[in-house]
Amino acid sequence: GENVEQHPSTLSVQEGDSAVIKCTYSDSASNYFPWYKQELGKGPQLIIDIRSNVGEKKDQRIAVTLNKTAKHFSLHITETQPEDSAVYFCAARSWGMDSSYKLIFGSGTRLLVRP
Amino acid sequence: EPEVTQTPSHQVTQMGQEVILRCVPISNHLYFYWYRQILGQKVEFLVSFYNNEISEKSEIFDDQFSVERPDGSNFTLKIRSTKLEDSAMYFCASSYQTSGEQYFGPGTRLTVT
Repeated sequence: GENVEQHPSTLSVQEGDSAVIKCTYSDSASNYFPWYKQELGKGPQLIIDIRSNVGEKKDQRIAVTLNKTAKHFSLHITETQPEDSAVYFCAARSWGMDSSYKLIFGSGTRLLVRP
Repeated sequence: EPEVTQTPSHQVTQMGQEVILRCVPISNHLYFYWYRQILGQKVEFLVSFYNNEISEKSEIFDDQFSVERPDGSNFTLKIRSTKLEDSAMYFCASSYQTSGEQYFGPGTRLTVT
């Protein structure tokens, strides 16, 4: 089955700097890759996602890149702000004619943005 | 903005007791999911549900677990006889399409003593 590895487990950056979180997946059939932000005491919040027919997607300060050949995808946050501090999870899902409905999550990255 | 809601936020129960965790998915969504997160570990898929049937379940989702959509708005997860290792955060999620984005609720923290 699918396995998703995520690193780093913790990341501390200065406010205004960029942060990059990387994930690798094992199942070449996976073709949907969402990123979730989880703040303390709250559920995972979808912040951006990318499908396998796209190499990069941007939404304001957040971007995600996907390398299907290498089976890895990354989250890039630019101009970080203290409110970006949270745990970020990557996930992978395969879908198609015999869809697998489940998301397989990475282990999470705790991002701390220092003011 | 529509959101998934879950009740209770925290449930404490004794080993062997039955618990029911409740979720109200986003109103026009058709696909429903339960995930769990043991403290410090990954979020793990438990079960997906569509058209009043289980679509897929993980090996964690054994005979002690069941799901139900008792009416047009609620989606429940029942654990018949809780074990200590069932202590975790349980998240409900929903999506409009099977290929669509999954939106998560705030979770129910289950503590089994």
